[in-house]
Amino acid sequence: GENVEQHPSTLSVQEGDSAVIKCTYSDSASNYFPWYKQELGKRPQLIIDIRSNVGEKKDQRIAVTLNKTAKHFSLHITETQPEDSAVYFCAASMSSGAGSYQLTFGKGTKLSVIP
Amino acid sequence: EPEVTQTPSHQVTQMGQEVILRCVPISNHLYFYWYRQILGQKVEFLVSFYNNEISEKSEIFDDQFSVERPDGSNFTLKIRSTKLEDSAMYFCGALGGGEQFFGPGTRLTVL
Repeated sequence: GENVEQHPSTLSVQEGDSAVIKCTYSDSASNYFPWYKQELGKRPQLIIDIRSNVGEKKDQRIAVTLNKTAKHFSLHITETQPEDSAVYFCAASMSSGAGSYQLTFGKGTKLSVIP
Repeated sequence: EPEVTQTPSHQVTQMGQEVILRCVPISNHLYFYWYRQILGQKVEFLVSFYNNEISEKSEIFDDQFSVERPDGSNFTLKIRSTKLEDSAMYFCGALGGGEQFFGPGTRLTVL
């Protein structure tokens, strides 16, 4: 099955700096890569996603890049703010014959933005 | 974004007891999922449910687990005989626009 590795496990940045979180996946058939933000005690919330037919996607201060050949994808947050502090999870999935989009998650990155 | 509610928000049970966790999608969606997250760990897939049938399930989803949609709206996860290691947050998910969205979760504590 799919295996997703995520690094780093913790990341501290100064407010205004950029943060980069990297993930690798094992199954070349995976074609959907979402990123979730989880604040303490709350549900994971989708912040951005990318599909395998695209190399980069951007949404305001957040961007995601995908390298299918190397099987890795990254989350980039620019101009970080204290409210960006949370645990970020990457995930990978493959649309199966039933289209069920089972997600395999990385272990998470705890991002701390220091004011 | 599909809205999903879950009940209860917190369930405390004794080891060996049966629990039923409920998920109610606000919108009319066909794909549903259950995931669990042990405290401080990653989110793990349990099962997906499509058109009133299990579509995929993980190794975690053994004979102690079952899912059903008894009345066409609620989507339930049943754990027949809970173990201490079942203590976790359980998230229901729904698929909308090709994206998965999670409910607020049920915290299950097994004593």
